[in-house]
Amino acid sequence: DVKVTQSSRYLVKRTGEKVFLECVQDMDHENMFWYRQDPGLGLRLIYFSYDVKMKEKGDIPEGYSVSREKKERFSLILESASTNQTSMYLCAIRGTGDYGYTFGSGTRLTVV
Amino acid sequence: LAKTTQPISMDSYEGQEVNITCSHNNIATNDYITWYQQFPSQGPRFIIQGYKTKVTNEVASLFIPADRKSSTLSLPRVSLSDTAVYYCLVGDWRMNYGGSQGNLIFGKGTKLSVKP
Repeated sequence: DVKVTQSSRYLVKRTGEKVFLECVQDMDHENMFWYRQDPGLGLRLIYFSYDVKMKEKGDIPEGYSVSREKKERFSLILESASTNQTSMYLCAIRGTGDYGYTFGSGTRLTVV
Repeated sequence: LAKTTQPISMDSYEGQEVNITCSHNNIATNDYITWYQQFPSQGPRFIIQGYKTKVTNEVASLFIPADRKSSTLSLPRVSLSDTAVYYCLVGDWRMNYGGSQGNLIFGKGTKLSVKP
């Protein structure tokens, strides 16, 4: 089975902290994604990457950055966490020509 | 990118068949229709995908009319464990990314509640 591993299930951070959310896949897939999910808003795409060192903004990139130095790892960075970034963060992967996303279990981030 | 419209919520009872319809009026020729299921505190997981007519797997069936402007996910004999949010997505899965045109949009989904 494809595995998408997110480093933490729950995180509590303080306003202004720099936060790193890590996602690791074991399937050598090119495409990796970061979404956030909020009640009533569904899943919204923050950033995605289609290759090492390649990244593109999604629908809501403000306040976030990403890093993909190796194919298997895609990191989401909150440069200065704010309370409106409290959310469930989901990492997903997809192979070229593949027909489905595979999601990680999610990280529930609370910024206080 | 094709936008989808689904009911916000549905209620059912155990043992019933549940049909969730998704509208996608501006679906493109190369677009596929895919459904995902999400349980609380988990990421969405793939259920079924189709292009036209009918597709069936061990979990669900997907009905797509000839004009492809809508699709219906059918869950036979639901149980309490089928309580989840169901998402309909439309897009060309075969595209690699070099821009956002390859992305797929998750809507708000349909929250299915199955009661005893």
